[in-house]
Amino acid sequence: GAVVSQHPSRVICKSGTSVKIECRSLDFQATTMFWYRQFPKQSLMLMATSNEGSKATYEQGVEKDKFLINHASLTLSTLTVTSAHPEDSSFYICSARDVSGGASDTQYFGPGTRLTVL
Amino acid sequence: EDQVTQSPEALRLQEGESSSLNCSYTVSGLRGLFWYRQDPGKGPEFLFTLYSAGEEKEKERLKATLTKKESFLHITAPKPEDSATYLCAVQNTGFQKLVFGTGTRLLVSP
Repeated sequence: GAVVSQHPSRVICKSGTSVKIECRSLDFQATTMFWYRQFPKQSLMLMATSNEGSKATYEQGVEKDKFLINHASLTLSTLTVTSAHPEDSSFYICSARDVSGGASDTQYFGPGTRLTVL
Repeated sequence: EDQVTQSPEALRLQEGESSSLNCSYTVSGLRGLFWYRQDPGKGPEFLFTLYSAGEEKEKERLKATLTKKESFLHITAPKPEDSATYLCAVQNTGFQKLVFGTGTRLLVSP
């Protein structure tokens, strides 16, 4: 159980284009999803917290107009990187919070999306 | 500010050579401490959640323990397939988000 999928797994785009990444919880409902980015050999950096039906909460230093987050249903959140530039190239990972286990508040992670901006 | 420090940064073991990874943390109120395993180019895979000092959890060759200031991930008789980066994270009682350490890269040689 507790499977999270991401699509696409890998994307290459030209500078100035927008890219949408989907995150789905496959076997549980997730009122809260999280978006992270990870640079090579570094740990995960939280970008934003996405709550179903409300606006996302962004971490300090993350441009909310550049990284658009939509959490339209209990199983789907999307991250759109607008007007992407080479410095946006990174590994983007989502997670979904499963609260069905009572006290357990575990985040389950997707497989990640490798974004390369040329 | 909540902080997580993991040591060592990297660890090389021979197959069958048991060892421990350390996760030291400071948090104003601990809701949970989490261990994840991450393989290169993949998302973290959940291993354990620990909630209070003295708690222990086991899964195959892994055992996680928790004190008020640190957690250990003990690896007994590791195999090459245990090679990965092991991440520790804490969740504050006041927040939903996780604060991650920088991880320990484990390499187990046959």
